[in-house]
Amino acid sequence: DTGVSQNPRHKITKRGQNVTFRCDPISEHNRLYWYRQTLGQGPEFLTYFQNEAQLEKSRLLSDRFSAERPKGSFSTLEIQRTEQGDSAMYLCASSSGLAGGVDNEQFFGPGTRLTVL
Amino acid sequence: GQNIDQPTEMTATEGAIVQINCTYQTSGFNGLFWYQQHAGEAPTFLSYNVLDGLEEKGRFSSFLSRSKGYSYLLLKELQMKDSASYLCAADGGATNKLIFGTGTLLAVQP
Repeated sequence: DTGVSQNPRHKITKRGQNVTFRCDPISEHNRLYWYRQTLGQGPEFLTYFQNEAQLEKSRLLSDRFSAERPKGSFSTLEIQRTEQGDSAMYLCASSSGLAGGVDNEQFFGPGTRLTVL
Repeated sequence: GQNIDQPTEMTATEGAIVQINCTYQTSGFNGLFWYQQHAGEAPTFLSYNVLDGLEEKGRFSSFLSRSKGYSYLLLKELQMKDSASYLCAADGGATNKLIFGTGTLLAVQP
């Protein structure tokens, strides 16, 4: 399968625990994005990587959140000391980011649904 | 500020045409995306408009007016499988991050 993959697909955790999600983008894509989506809302941007460099972070990304893309391939998103308000679908997307046009299209993974009890 | 507005819900009949409108205000703008999202699934790409005008792709067409900050998605010959949420997203700024609206939940009835 050559699409974006995310693991795990579902995660249930207790408040206060740490969780880590993984995203494997399409192999030739150098741009990687994390979004968060709650029920009935559109996805909200969290952070952006170009290769291994984290170039933009949303104000939504509190200090409990950290993301890495160590070798410019897969990425991880960690949430420390989870809160019930962190319950959401976490989506990863990648794009080739070549000049203009439809190359800006972001391909989304299936998401990781987090439930914090 | 950043603001994307689209209707929350719409209902249409199988075989009919429906138009979903979207207005946007963003600090950076490269173009306008439309994505389809079925419940519990990832968004899938429908269209991307950079220039003003209408782009047609099979049963789906998308229109953009940059001066008015306005776009619409037109779905023709509606099918039951078109029941889904339709997300309008502005491609904003140098990082091409997407700024999404809340999505329009379309229900296609027989």
